[in-house]
Amino acid sequence: DAKTTQPNSMESNEEEPVHLPCNHSTISGTDYIHWYRQLPSQGPEYVIHGLTSNVNNRMASLAIAEDRKSSTLILHRATLRDAAVYYCILRVSGGSQGNLIFGKGTKLSVKP
Amino acid sequence: ETGVTQSPTHLIKTRGQQVTLRCSSQSGHNTVSWYQQALGQGPQFIFQYYREEENGRGNFPPRFSGLQFPNYSSELNVNALELDDSALYLCASSFRLHNRVRTDTQYFGPGTRLTVL
Repeated sequence: DAKTTQPNSMESNEEEPVHLPCNHSTISGTDYIHWYRQLPSQGPEYVIHGLTSNVNNRMASLAIAEDRKSSTLILHRATLRDAAVYYCILRVSGGSQGNLIFGKGTKLSVKP
Repeated sequence: ETGVTQSPTHLIKTRGQQVTLRCSSQSGHNTVSWYQQALGQGPQFIFQYYREEENGRGNFPPRFSGLQFPNYSSELNVNALELDDSALYLCASSFRLHNRVRTDTQYFGPGTRLTVL
């Protein structure tokens, strides 16, 4: 299964941008990069996904390196509600049949 | 539009017992996945159902079984409970268009917290 590497934890100040890195050096050309987050005492929720180009939505932006071996989730203005565990996940073609392979993620703390 | 719901929210069982967890998918979704999340870990994939058939399974023993019903609700059954089965069990539903499995968004329920004593 395709693997990702993320820092265990990061800290941010409220209303400042946050850049959450993810390394996926074994990514193949057809693997999608997905981000989910899990707020305390809740199930994970979808944040964003992309293949090659940078992506924006109302929650965040996803910057994908040109060689696709790394990506960065960008929260433009962190709020206290953004404190969560953020998971970077590769959606691979073939035998995975669409399941999400979660690592340990990055625990983001947001200070007021 | 209602989201994914799970029942019960909490459950306490003893070793050797059997348990059934339930999930109601988001309206219009045809795929449901189950995950187990131990404390401090990321969720681990148990299995997935697509149009009422098992469509992928993770590294879990056969005593973990499931069903998806025609209305796309789902059950997770665990037999012969062990202490290590204590975890948060998450259900996620999605809508899959044929084989476009790499882009579908999974919507998670709040989970069922199972404690095995």
